[in-house]
Amino acid sequence: AQKITQTQPGMFVQEKEAVTLDCTYDTSDQSYGLFWYKQPSSGEMIFLIYQGSYDEQNATEGRYSLNFQKARKSANLVISASQLGDSAMYFCAMRPYGGATNKLIFGTGTLLAVQP
Amino acid sequence: NAGVTQTPKFQVLKTGQSMTLQCAQDMNHEYMSWYRQDPGMGLRLIHYSVGAGITDQGEVPNGYNVSRSTTEDFPLRLLSAAPSQTSVYFCASYPGQGNGYTFGSGTRLTVV
Repeated sequence: AQKITQTQPGMFVQEKEAVTLDCTYDTSDQSYGLFWYKQPSSGEMIFLIYQGSYDEQNATEGRYSLNFQKARKSANLVISASQLGDSAMYFCAMRPYGGATNKLIFGTGTLLAVQP
Repeated sequence: NAGVTQTPKFQVLKTGQSMTLQCAQDMNHEYMSWYRQDPGMGLRLIHYSVGAGITDQGEVPNGYNVSRSTTEDFPLRLLSAAPSQTSVYFCASYPGQGNGYTFGSGTRLTVV
């Protein structure tokens, strides 16, 4: 079965500290992509970062980095120097490249609250 | 660039009513999809299309119909709304390669 698991329903972090949001995945496909999206209270889905299964280096985008451990099937999101505007729901998603659906499989999300 | 445009943003329906959620994209993406978001369940795929004239079912297709007559438009139809269809609906498009999924702003639907 293809599945994304996010075990942290909610997280708190102090402003300016780093936080790690956990994501594990399950797929039998050899080729896949891993995504993180941010959903603020306004509701839109904002793309943050992408990691391909064959990428040798961990992806980074500004304050976001993806800690990709292929053998453990984990793709944790690290946010450095948290800001109040980082308070949002965060979704991990996977796109298996086998088949033609191009579908994204989402986890249940982690609600992050950044405290001043 | 407008990206992916969803209308309406909010809708209240009575049980048994029908309606169409509209989705349009201006990026010439071949792939379009509809997801629903429910509390504690993330986003789940309802229907998807890999090009004009081609649609298929996703994970939770029951109660929904789609069609894709043009590359730009991918409407989602609820033929007889049920309270279980109360949800937030997202349309997304994708060019078929790379990581460029684009989501619409969502439609919040309440069925009473």
